Amino acid sequence: GQQLNQSPQSMFIQEGEDVSMNCTSSSIFNTWLWYKQDPGEGPVLLIALYKAGELTSNGRLTAQFGITRKDSFLNISASIPSDVGIYFCAGRGTSGTYKYIFGTGTRLKVLA
Amino acid sequence: GAGVSQSPRYKVAKRGQDVALRCDPISGHVSLFWYQQALGQGPEFLTYFQNEAQLDKSGLPSDRFFAERPEGSVSTLKIQRTQQEDSAVYLCASSQGGTDSNYGYTFGSGTRLTVV
Repeated sequence: GQQLNQSPQSMFIQEGEDVSMNCTSSSIFNTWLWYKQDPGEGPVLLIALYKAGELTSNGRLTAQFGITRKDSFLNISASIPSDVGIYFCAGRGTSGTYKYIFGTGTRLKVLA
Repeated sequence: GAGVSQSPRYKVAKRGQDVALRCDPISGHVSLFWYQQALGQGPEFLTYFQNEAQLDKSGLPSDRFFAERPEGSVSTLKIQRTQQEDSAVYLCASSQGGTDSNYGYTFGSGTRLTVV
Protein backbone atom coordinates (compact mmCIF):
# COMPACT_ATOMS: atom_id res chain seq x y z
CA GLY A 1 0.00 0.00 0.00
CA GLN A 2 0.93 3.65 -0.28
CA GLN A 3 3.14 5.08 2.45
CA LEU A 4 4.70 8.50 2.81
CA ASN A 5 8.46 8.86 2.86
CA GLN A 6 9.92 9.89 6.21
CA SER A 7 13.46 10.98 6.85
CA PRO A 8 15.59 10.01 8.63
CA GLN A 9 14.56 6.39 9.16
CA SER A 10 16.24 6.38 12.56
CA MET A 11 18.44 8.57 14.69
CA PHE A 12 20.44 8.45 17.89
CA ILE A 13 20.82 11.75 19.68
CA GLN A 14 22.15 12.98 22.99
CA GLU A 15 19.76 14.15 25.66
CA GLY A 16 19.26 17.90 25.36
CA GLU A 17 19.80 18.04 21.61
CA ASP A 18 17.22 19.28 19.14
CA VAL A 19 15.74 16.85 16.61
CA SER A 20 14.34 17.44 13.14
CA MET A 21 12.49 15.03 10.89
CA ASN A 22 10.42 15.40 7.76
CA CYS A 23 7.80 13.71 5.66
CA THR A 24 7.22 14.01 1.93
CA SER A 25 4.41 13.07 -0.40
CA SER A 26 3.92 12.92 -4.15
CA SER A 27 0.37 14.19 -3.61
CA ILE A 28 -0.99 17.44 -2.23
CA PHE A 29 -2.50 17.14 1.23
CA ASN A 30 -4.98 19.32 3.09
CA THR A 31 -4.22 17.95 6.54
CA TRP A 32 -1.06 16.68 8.17
CA LEU A 33 -0.88 14.83 11.48
CA TRP A 34 2.09 13.77 13.56
CA TYR A 35 1.86 10.73 15.85
CA LYS A 36 4.22 9.05 18.33
CA GLN A 37 4.12 5.32 18.93
CA ASP A 38 5.67 3.60 21.93
CA PRO A 39 6.43 -0.15 21.86
CA GLY A 40 3.29 -2.24 22.23
CA GLU A 41 0.99 0.75 22.03
CA GLY A 42 -1.06 2.49 19.38
CA PRO A 43 0.03 5.82 17.87
CA VAL A 44 -0.80 8.91 19.93
CA LEU A 45 -1.66 12.17 18.18
CA LEU A 46 0.88 14.94 18.82
CA ILE A 47 0.06 17.77 16.43
CA ALA A 48 -2.48 18.46 13.66
CA LEU A 49 -1.89 20.93 10.81
CA TYR A 50 -4.63 22.25 8.54
CA LYS A 51 -3.17 25.04 6.41
CA ALA A 52 -0.15 25.44 4.15
CA GLY A 53 2.63 27.28 5.97
CA GLU A 54 1.03 26.70 9.36
CA LEU A 55 3.42 26.36 12.29
CA THR A 56 2.00 24.70 15.43
CA SER A 57 3.61 23.89 18.76
CA ASN A 58 2.81 21.40 21.50
CA GLY A 59 5.27 21.88 24.34
CA ARG A 60 8.75 21.08 23.04
CA LEU A 61 7.33 19.90 19.72
CA THR A 62 6.84 22.16 16.72
CA ALA A 63 5.45 21.04 13.39
CA GLN A 64 5.07 22.84 10.09
CA PHE A 65 2.79 22.30 7.10
CA GLY A 66 5.01 22.79 4.04
CA ILE A 67 4.01 25.56 1.62
CA THR A 68 4.02 23.14 -1.31
CA ARG A 69 1.46 21.06 0.65
CA LYS A 70 3.55 18.01 -0.18
CA ASP A 71 5.65 17.95 2.96
CA SER A 72 5.67 18.48 6.69
CA PHE A 73 8.33 18.85 9.36
CA LEU A 74 8.55 18.02 13.04
CA ASN A 75 11.07 19.47 15.46
CA ILE A 76 11.68 18.39 19.03
CA SER A 77 13.68 20.78 21.18
CA ALA A 78 15.85 19.79 24.15
CA SER A 79 15.16 16.06 23.81
CA ILE A 80 14.67 13.91 26.90
CA PRO A 81 14.80 10.12 27.30
CA SER A 82 11.01 9.73 27.15
CA ASP A 83 11.06 11.14 23.61
CA VAL A 84 12.23 7.69 22.51
CA GLY A 85 9.79 6.07 20.14
CA ILE A 86 8.63 6.01 16.55
CA TYR A 87 7.25 9.18 15.01
CA PHE A 88 4.77 8.88 12.15
CA CYS A 89 3.42 11.53 9.86
CA ALA A 90 0.01 11.08 8.26
CA GLY A 91 -1.56 13.06 5.46
CA ARG A 92 -5.00 13.43 3.97
CA GLY A 93 -6.03 14.88 0.63
CA THR A 94 -9.12 16.77 -0.47
CA SER A 95 -11.98 17.37 1.94
CA GLY A 96 -14.36 14.46 2.13
CA THR A 97 -11.41 12.09 1.96
CA TYR A 98 -11.51 10.37 5.29
CA LYS A 99 -8.49 8.11 5.28
CA TYR A 100 -5.04 9.17 6.29
CA ILE A 101 -1.94 7.78 4.64
CA PHE A 102 0.87 7.14 7.08
CA GLY A 103 4.60 7.51 6.70
CA THR A 104 7.23 4.84 7.17
CA GLY A 105 8.25 6.24 10.56
CA THR A 106 11.31 7.81 12.17
CA ARG A 107 12.78 5.84 15.07
CA LEU A 108 14.26 8.10 17.71
CA LYS A 109 16.65 6.95 20.40
CA VAL A 110 17.89 9.39 23.01
CA LEU A 111 21.16 8.73 24.80
CA ALA A 112 21.20 9.98 28.36
CA GLY B 1 -15.28 4.72 27.27
CA ALA B 2 -12.31 6.96 27.86
CA GLY B 3 -10.28 5.53 25.02
CA VAL B 4 -10.39 3.03 22.18
CA SER B 5 -10.29 -0.48 23.57
CA GLN B 6 -9.13 -3.50 21.57
CA SER B 7 -9.19 -7.16 22.47
CA PRO B 8 -7.44 -9.46 22.62
CA ARG B 9 -4.08 -7.68 22.97
CA TYR B 10 -2.28 -10.74 21.61
CA LYS B 11 -3.53 -13.62 19.51
CA VAL B 12 -1.62 -16.63 18.28
CA ALA B 13 -3.43 -18.55 15.58
CA LYS B 14 -2.54 -21.71 13.73
CA ARG B 15 -2.48 -21.31 9.97
CA GLY B 16 -5.96 -21.92 8.63
CA GLN B 17 -7.72 -20.90 11.83
CA ASP B 18 -10.35 -18.15 11.87
CA VAL B 19 -9.85 -15.17 14.22
CA ALA B 20 -12.04 -12.29 15.40
CA LEU B 21 -10.61 -9.02 16.67
CA ARG B 22 -12.76 -6.61 18.64
CA CYS B 23 -12.73 -2.83 18.79
CA ASP B 24 -14.68 -0.70 21.24
CA PRO B 25 -14.40 2.93 20.06
CA ILE B 26 -14.78 6.09 22.09
CA SER B 27 -18.43 6.56 22.95
CA GLY B 28 -20.22 8.73 20.42
CA HIS B 29 -17.49 8.62 17.79
CA VAL B 30 -19.03 8.43 14.35
CA SER B 31 -16.04 7.18 12.39
CA LEU B 32 -14.18 3.93 12.94
CA PHE B 33 -11.13 2.73 11.06
CA TRP B 34 -9.12 -0.45 10.94
CA TYR B 35 -5.44 -0.30 10.04
CA GLN B 36 -2.85 -3.04 9.64
CA GLN B 37 0.70 -2.42 10.81
CA ALA B 38 3.38 -4.82 9.69
CA LEU B 39 6.61 -5.04 11.67
CA GLY B 40 8.72 -1.94 11.11
CA GLN B 41 6.13 -0.20 8.96
CA GLY B 42 3.55 2.51 9.35
CA PRO B 43 -0.15 1.71 9.66
CA GLU B 44 -1.96 0.87 6.41
CA PHE B 45 -5.66 1.49 5.88
CA LEU B 46 -7.99 -1.51 5.79
CA THR B 47 -11.55 -0.28 6.11
CA TYR B 48 -13.75 2.60 7.29
CA PHE B 49 -17.16 2.78 8.96
CA GLN B 50 -19.36 5.82 9.41
CA ASN B 51 -21.76 4.70 12.12
CA GLU B 52 -22.89 1.22 10.98
CA ALA B 53 -22.20 1.80 7.29
CA GLN B 54 -18.99 0.40 5.84
CA LEU B 55 -18.13 3.15 3.38
CA ASP B 56 -14.76 1.87 2.26
CA LYS B 57 -13.23 -1.59 2.35
CA SER B 58 -10.70 -1.00 -0.37
CA GLY B 59 -7.75 -1.78 1.89
CA LEU B 60 -8.84 -5.27 2.89
CA PRO B 61 -6.15 -7.57 1.45
CA SER B 62 -8.42 -10.40 0.39
CA ASP B 63 -11.91 -11.80 0.74
CA ARG B 64 -10.71 -13.64 3.84
CA PHE B 65 -10.97 -10.33 5.67
CA PHE B 66 -14.36 -9.13 6.82
CA ALA B 67 -15.35 -6.29 9.14
CA GLU B 68 -18.65 -5.26 10.66
CA ARG B 69 -20.08 -2.63 12.99
CA PRO B 70 -23.74 -3.65 13.21
CA GLU B 71 -24.97 -1.10 15.77
CA GLY B 72 -22.60 1.72 14.97
CA SER B 73 -20.42 1.24 18.02
CA VAL B 74 -18.37 -1.96 18.58
CA SER B 75 -16.64 -3.34 15.50
CA THR B 76 -15.22 -6.76 14.75
CA LEU B 77 -12.54 -7.58 12.20
CA LYS B 78 -12.67 -11.23 11.17
CA ILE B 79 -9.96 -13.06 9.30
CA GLN B 80 -10.80 -16.44 7.89
CA ARG B 81 -8.28 -19.20 7.16
CA THR B 82 -5.38 -17.16 8.51
CA GLN B 83 -2.08 -17.20 6.63
CA GLN B 84 1.40 -16.32 7.87
CA GLU B 85 1.36 -13.06 5.92
CA ASP B 86 -1.59 -11.97 8.07
CA SER B 87 0.77 -11.64 11.05
CA ALA B 88 0.73 -7.97 12.04
CA VAL B 89 -0.65 -5.53 14.57
CA TYR B 90 -4.24 -4.61 13.81
CA LEU B 91 -5.07 -1.11 14.97
CA CYS B 92 -8.52 0.32 15.45
CA ALA B 93 -9.08 4.07 15.53
CA SER B 94 -12.12 6.24 16.02
CA SER B 95 -12.87 9.84 15.21
CA GLN B 96 -15.53 12.26 16.33
CA GLY B 97 -16.67 13.47 12.94
CA GLY B 98 -17.71 11.98 9.64
CA THR B 99 -16.18 12.16 6.21
CA ASP B 100 -16.03 15.95 6.18
CA SER B 101 -14.31 16.13 9.52
CA ASN B 102 -10.78 17.33 10.16
CA TYR B 103 -10.41 15.49 13.43
CA GLY B 104 -7.43 13.24 13.90
CA TYR B 105 -7.86 9.66 14.94
CA THR B 106 -7.57 8.19 18.43
CA PHE B 107 -5.99 4.77 18.19
CA GLY B 108 -6.36 1.73 20.39
CA SER B 109 -3.35 -0.25 21.59
CA GLY B 110 -3.85 -2.80 18.85
CA THR B 111 -4.08 -6.56 18.60
CA ARG B 112 -0.85 -8.33 17.72
CA LEU B 113 -1.73 -11.35 15.58
CA THR B 114 0.87 -14.04 15.06
CA VAL B 115 0.04 -16.87 12.67
CA VAL B 116 2.15 -19.98 13.16
